[in-house]
Amino acid sequence: QKEVEQNSGPLSVPEGAIASLNCTYSDRGSQSFFWYRQYSGKSPELIMSIYSNGDKEDGRFTAQLNKASQYVSLLIRDSQPSDSATYLCAVNRAGNQFYFGTGTSLTVIP
Amino acid sequence: GAVVSQHPSRVICKSGTSVKIECRSLDFQATTMFWYRQFPKKSLMLMATSNEGSKATYEQGVEKDKFLINHASLTLSTLTVTSAHPEDSSFYICSAFREANVLTFGAGSRLTVL
Repeated sequence: QKEVEQNSGPLSVPEGAIASLNCTYSDRGSQSFFWYRQYSGKSPELIMSIYSNGDKEDGRFTAQLNKASQYVSLLIRDSQPSDSATYLCAVNRAGNQFYFGTGTSLTVIP
Repeated sequence: GAVVSQHPSRVICKSGTSVKIECRSLDFQATTMFWYRQFPKKSLMLMATSNEGSKATYEQGVEKDKFLINHASLTLSTLTVTSAHPEDSSFYICSAFREANVLTFGAGSRLTVL
């Protein structure tokens, strides 16, 4: 079982819609959870971090964490073509143990 | 904000030569840095963990004699690809914890070996 699993997609949504990205992780001891965005040919950039159960909102982005279900999600409201990228879920178990999912490719169709 | 600077962004070299990639933490000290490689449309692959003042920890399957890592100061780690071959062509990315549990990436270095 992989440490972090994501649906590779591609996920396509029309402009203005909500994009929903999902991630599961295997270790219940995981403590910190992150979403990174990676444009083609670029390095990942952090867009959200979440540490406790529930929702965390930042602008059009909402991260949701459910530790009981070992599930993390990212919602992007009012999706824009500029949101088209690969979204990487990352989990930090403890200290330097950082695990990435394979990423979900999102395309926002104008 | 905290920045991880990586240089060069692109490098083209001949087969058999060595290439050095630098990763610097510009406004924070990084006792640990991480080196990843990424092939087109593939996921990040952790190559090694670079520890300041000590030997790097390599992931399984990564040749430590081919990918030399040096972390001589709290702000600089280098990755040297020795005797590069076309199959080493890839996107190499470094990262560091700018604060507890938050991983920040450099801009990446695209290596092309002819």
